[in-house]
Amino acid sequence: KNQVEQSPQSLIILEGKNCTLQCNYTVSPFSNLRWYKQDTGRGPVSLTIMTFSENTKSNGRYTATLDADTKQSSLHITASQLSDSASYICVVRGLDGTDKLIFGTGTRLQVFP
Amino acid sequence: DADVTQTPRNRITKTGKRIMLECSQTKGHDRMYWYRQDPGLGLQLIYYSFDVKDINKGEISDGYSVSRQAQAKFSLSLESAIPNQTALYFCATSDPGTGTNEQFFGPGTRLTVL
Repeated sequence: KNQVEQSPQSLIILEGKNCTLQCNYTVSPFSNLRWYKQDTGRGPVSLTIMTFSENTKSNGRYTATLDADTKQSSLHITASQLSDSASYICVVRGLDGTDKLIFGTGTRLQVFP
Repeated sequence: DADVTQTPRNRITKTGKRIMLECSQTKGHDRMYWYRQDPGLGLQLIYYSFDVKDINKGEISDGYSVSRQAQAKFSLSLESAIPNQTALYFCATSDPGTGTNEQFFGPGTRLTVL
């Protein structure tokens, strides 16, 4: 069964610190992997997208990595800000032509001053 | 989020009632989706539509129905609501012509069934 697992479930850090969120997936064949940010009470918003051939991609203070061999991805947040408090969801798109996405359960990040 | 709107944003209803959640988009996308989100679970696909004449069941369609009234409108109905349908519901759109097929989500509807 295609699955996407994220860790940790929740994380608390102090403002200014860095953190790394993990995503392991079993989806195969694989088209792309996205990281979404979901603020409380809002819909998810895409942060980065990575295809099979990409190893790393940055979007400001967010850097995503992908190891397609081990089926692992990470999202690194540098110099965290209070506004980074949100859930971060790893989403994998398979190659079965149905356009269906498989969502991880998310990591809930809280940044405190 | 302003390009994809959902109404209502919050709804409390009783078991057995019929409920309709509405989604409108101004992005001009052909593809639209309905998801539900439960605590501790990833978003689950209820129904999706690739165009006005194309409706498909997702992973958890039982107890739900949809209507694609126009390219811009996709509504989700619960014919007889039950408490385990209490969840956060999201509508999303996408444009396959972009290649990456990013899905754009609405702000969500929080539904509580008592």
